Parts: sequence; C-alpha cells; structure tokens
Amino acid sequence: NAGVTQTPKFQVLKTGQSMTLQCAQDMNHEYMSWYRQDPGMGLRLIHYSVGAGITDQGEVPNGYNVSRSTTEDFPLRLLSAAPSQTSVYFCASSYSLISGEKLFFGSGTQLSVL
Amino acid sequence: AQSVTQLGSHVSVSEGALVLLRCNYSSSVPPYLFWYVQYPNQGLQLLLKYTTGATLVKGINGFEAEFKKSETSFHLTKPSAHMSDAAEYFCAVSDQTGANNLFFGTGTRLTVIP
Repeated sequence: NAGVTQTPKFQVLKTGQSMTLQCAQDMNHEYMSWYRQDPGMGLRLIHYSVGAGITDQGEVPNGYNVSRSTTEDFPLRLLSAAPSQTSVYFCASSYSLISGEKLFFGSGTQLSVL
Repeated sequence: AQSVTQLGSHVSVSEGALVLLRCNYSSSVPPYLFWYVQYPNQGLQLLLKYTTGATLVKGINGFEAEFKKSETSFHLTKPSAHMSDAAEYFCAVSDQTGANNLFFGTGTRLTVIP
C-alpha cells in the first residue's frame, strides 16, 4: 500500500520558473491538502480539497495554484517561483472530510528557489 | 481564531527519563487537538488525538496527553524516553472551516541522551 506519494523529493528552481509538485494517494481519500514547512514556523496550510473539482485556499495560498480533477491526484503549481517559496512541501490526505480525522502525510518535497 | 503555542523548540532528556512536551492552544470553539511526530527526512505521523470524551488520551509508542480545558493545554508525556523517540513533535488544533485542516505549532525537537 503506497499511501501518499510525492514527487519529486528534491527540486532546485531559478526565480521566475514554474513547476508542479505532484501528490497522489491510493486510499480513496476525499480530503487532500498541501502544507509548507519552514524552520521555526511549523506547518502552514496552502490549499486544500474536499473532493474532485472542489478546492479552497488555506493560510498561505499566494503564488500557488491547485486543481483536483481526480480523487487520487492533487498537484501544486508554483506559477513564478520566488526565493520566499524555498521550503519543504507536504501533501496530506484523510478519508473523511470532517475535522478530527487522522491525516496521512507524504514524505515531502524539498524545494530551493535561487 | 485558532492557534497553538509549543514551549521550548528543543528539549533534551536522558534515556529512561520522563518526556514532557508542552502545548497550549487558543480556540473559540471546543477544540480537536493532535500530536504528530516527524522522524528525520520523513512526513508526519499521528501520535494521538483528542476529539471528545476521555481527557487522557493514549497514543502509539507509549505516549499520552491530557486535555485540560481550564489550562488550555494538551501536554505530551512519556514515562521513560527511548533513543528511538528522538524526533520533532508538533502539536496541532483543528481550524473552524469544518474541513480537516489544522493549525500547527512551531514544533519541539526532542533529543535523547544515552
């Protein structure tokens, strides 16, 4: 059982470049989300989705775009990378949409923007 | 608004000693509270959670936490530290969107000294 799979594990970008971080889960989870982790700041929610075709913004959505065309996949797009987006990105999912459910996390993507 | 404060970004204990990691929360509604653990180069894993019912919650690997409404606290404890407990620990509280989104604390790195 693969769980939540993130690709790539590492990425280096130049300022202004665009890229997509991939996230896929094989547990038929309705809820998926993206967090970024920065030193001394914990994890902050970027975007989330409660089902195919439904997405919403989290705490820090600026500079990021998401879509959810299938239950399994929830890609995160950086439109024009900036050094402030240097971070570790985690995708998470849960079976239930409602608060209080266990989140399953991917192993993360470490992104550096030069 | 929801928020979480973790006192102490670094905690060191001797192997076999008591582990105490502190977490205080702010919430305008009855909170759902979580502790997640992150081992090096991995995603987060759920240790335990409080939603309703018994205020003393037991989790995996011998950890437990007690929800104290009067103190707005949810401290994590383990009677005897093991070398394998060395990791970063995050306290989190559910947000008010109704979806399974979390506000995380800034994390506490636990070092276990042999």
